[in-house]
Amino acid sequence: ETGVTQSPTHLIKTRGQQVTLRCSSQSGHNTVSWYQQALGQGPQFIFQYYREEENGRGNFPPRFSGLQFPNYSSELNVNALELDDSALYLCASSLQGGRGRKTQYFGPGTRLLVL
Amino acid sequence: DQQVKQNSPSLSVQEGRISILNCDYTNSMFDYFLWYKKYPAEGPTFLISISSIKDKNEDGRFTVFLNKSAKHLSLHIVPSQPGDSAVYFCAASLNNAGNMLTFGGGTRLMVKP
Repeated sequence: ETGVTQSPTHLIKTRGQQVTLRCSSQSGHNTVSWYQQALGQGPQFIFQYYREEENGRGNFPPRFSGLQFPNYSSELNVNALELDDSALYLCASSLQGGRGRKTQYFGPGTRLLVL
Repeated sequence: DQQVKQNSPSLSVQEGRISILNCDYTNSMFDYFLWYKKYPAEGPTFLISISSIKDKNEDGRFTVFLNKSAKHLSLHIVPSQPGDSAVYFCAASLNNAGNMLTFGGGTRLMVKP
């Protein structure tokens, strides 16, 4: 059983650019969430996808968008990057509607630096 | 508006003793609570959870206590081991699916040999 993987591990962009981060869910999981973790803080919920539809969103502007694909992998897109977007971006997957432990499993994250 | 707070940024404990990590929340609609552990360069790892209908859940050396009236939960680690040194995050969910989590700011636990 493969865990959650994310790519790339590190990324440097400049202000105003666009970025796409990728995530492969844990095998058998149908739900994926994205979180932003700024330095010294806890992760903040960005949004969640279930069966390719967004079914929950945190307090993030529309320039943060996402996709979930039929194989349950996912992308996070951020347009018009700002300096404050510099953070660790975490992807987490879970099985909604299943009988297993109710929790999310996190990937190692992508560290984004905006200059 | 921080709905989940961990007021102690760090905690140092001697090996073999008890570690107690605390967490407070403000939203009475939270239905499910979780603790995650995070090592550097890794994603958070699930540790233990508790439903709002319970006041205690135990798993080996880890016990989580929930006091709904005080909107407070705590994680007890007994006995503490050097490998437990990590950042611990408390998280809460509005549903019992354990997703769309609201996290606290974390507590760095250092267990000294």
